[in-house]
Amino acid sequence: DAGITQSPRYKITETGRQVTLMCHQTWSHSYMFWYRQDLGHGLRLIYYSAAADITDKGEVPDGYVVSRSKTENFPLTLESATRSQTSVYFCASSKLLENEQFFGPGTRLTVL
Amino acid sequence: SQQGEEDPQALSIQEGENATMNCSYKTSINNLQWYRQNSGRGLVHLILIRSNEREKHSGRLRVTLDTSKKSSSLLITASRAADTASYFCATTGGYNKLIFGAGTRLAVHP
Repeated sequence: DAGITQSPRYKITETGRQVTLMCHQTWSHSYMFWYRQDLGHGLRLIYYSAAADITDKGEVPDGYVVSRSKTENFPLTLESATRSQTSVYFCASSKLLENEQFFGPGTRLTVL
Repeated sequence: SQQGEEDPQALSIQEGENATMNCSYKTSINNLQWYRQNSGRGLVHLILIRSNEREKHSGRLRVTLDTSKKSSSLLITASRAADTASYFCATTGGYNKLIFGAGTRLAVHP
């Protein structure tokens, strides 16, 4: 039972490049979320999805794009990476009627 | 903006001692959750307390909620070295969105 996985686990890229972070869950959870974690800020919500083809912005969406064509996948794309997007990114999922979220292991992204 | 703020930011104790972390939040809530994060890992759900509950227990964890003061506390009794981690409170908004505090870093020394 893989649960929720993220890939890659580590990524180094350059300013201006497009980067896609992948998230896959095997539970068929309705909700999926992307957070970023920076020192001193805890976790902040970037985007979330209530179901396939339904996505919406969170607290810090600028510079990011998401899609959800299948329930199990929720990729996060940085269209033109900036140094301020250097962070650890966590994907999470939850069931429709339950509030507990299950987190992936994270992707550490460095933008040079 | 963050909903919750944890206090203290860092806590260092000896094995066997109790650890208490506090969380304050700003708006009315349906429930509040606590998560643990081991270094370099994803978050793990610990416990959820609903707005109509005042106290909840799970193993060595005790959570209290005071909605009049908009605050919650997490008590870990008889701490172990394996409890060393960061602990976050989070309030739940619409569509199951979580708003996290900045967390408390707990170090338990053998």
